[in-house]
Amino acid sequence: DAKTTQPTSMDCAEGRAANLPCNHSTISGNEYVYWYRQIHSQGPQYIIHGLKNNETNEMASLIITEDRKSSTLILPHATLRDTAVYYCIVRVANFNKFYFGSGTKLNVKP
Amino acid sequence: SAVISQKPSRDICQRGTSLTIQCQVDSQVTMMFWYRQQPGQSLTLIATANQGSEATYESGFVIDKFPISRPNLTFSTLTVSNMSPEDSSIYLCSVTLRGNTEAFFGQGTRLTVV
Repeated sequence: DAKTTQPTSMDCAEGRAANLPCNHSTISGNEYVYWYRQIHSQGPQYIIHGLKNNETNEMASLIITEDRKSSTLILPHATLRDTAVYYCIVRVANFNKFYFGSGTKLNVKP
Repeated sequence: SAVISQKPSRDICQRGTSLTIQCQVDSQVTMMFWYRQQPGQSLTLIATANQGSEATYESGFVIDKFPISRPNLTFSTLTVSNMSPEDSSIYLCSVTLRGNTEAFFGQGTRLTVV
């Protein structure tokens, strides 16, 4: 059962930061926030995950609010290749099922 | 990460027939899953493939329609039985690896039933 709410679609100009929000107001204390993306006709790709601290890797940054009820995925310099559907998922770390919601279609425009 | 090979990558099948999809992984796998993605939709979890025992199905999916095998740690099959046009979807294999908490996905099998 998806426990997240995301906007259906967003636009971003190439070279600018893309900020994708996710609401997970019913998140439990032992649930992590994961982000995946799916580029057209490919399998989903892992981006990043976190529990309560902000996280950064080579792809993106994840900002989680102090109450953990929402988070934002940041792509610092969006390119046309970042056009994809982005999924926010909450999941208990040792319970390995991933349930996907409807995601956000990010359109990066030149 | 892992290299996940799914076969076939796509197929066109007649209604009433069955198709078996294979998933082979090159790494130490802890869990394997099968998903369905209907046209224009998100991914829906079909079942967890259990090694040496019956798969665990999600609500709305049954073994008679989607029999699953997992004879060893790195290989699984999903069969779509008695197909109808409504079964036209992308079917994806997903795995979690020892020492990793994220899941990895194959490129999917695009099935069209005519």
